[in-house]
Amino acid sequence: KQEVTQIPAALSVPEGENLVLNCSFTDSAIYNLQWFRQDPGKGLTSLLLIQSSQREQTSGRLNASLDKSSGRSTLYIAASQPGDSATYLCAVRDNDYKLSFGAGTTVTVRA
Amino acid sequence: EPEVTQTPSHQVTQMGQEVILRCVPISNHLYFYWYRQILGQKVEFLVSFYNNEISEKSEIFDDQFSVERPDGSNFTLKIRSTKLEDSAMYFCASSGRGQVTEAFFGQGTRLTVV
Repeated sequence: KQEVTQIPAALSVPEGENLVLNCSFTDSAIYNLQWFRQDPGKGLTSLLLIQSSQREQTSGRLNASLDKSSGRSTLYIAASQPGDSATYLCAVRDNDYKLSFGAGTTVTVRA
Repeated sequence: EPEVTQTPSHQVTQMGQEVILRCVPISNHLYFYWYRQILGQKVEFLVSFYNNEISEKSEIFDDQFSVERPDGSNFTLKIRSTKLEDSAMYFCASSGRGQVTEAFFGQGTRLTVV
């Protein structure tokens, strides 16, 4: 059974600082990995998808890396802004039928 | 941009009542999912649906739950006899096939059982 862990559970940084969010998973036989953003009481917004054959994916200030063999992904957010405050979820897709989620990292960016 | 739409956004129901949560997935997607998130907890997988049948389900998805794609566009989750512990945010998602495809989620239905 795939287990996904996110560290840290919460993070508070001053505006402008870079954010580093970690995700680890136990079974490396994955299709892909997605990072999502969740605002309080809201749905899940897809940020980045990394295919299992990729090492990295970038979108604007966001960069995600994937080391499949060691079961790790890292999401980097450059030059954080107060609007980046949210919970960030990592989800691993093992097959066509299921995503397994981590518990998330709640980020607060202080103005 | 295509999106997954869920209705209603919030539903309050009495314990023991049946509820139906509705979703309109992205039109060219093949796989459909329901997830739930109890307040303060992880997003949990309930069920996936492909080619008009359940392809995988979790241990949470017991006989009280059922899914249906009645008309080729809607995808529903029915809870037959709701319990207090069914109170959660329920998310519908859809995706295409394979590793290149993202899963897209709806905004959720907050179900409150009283």
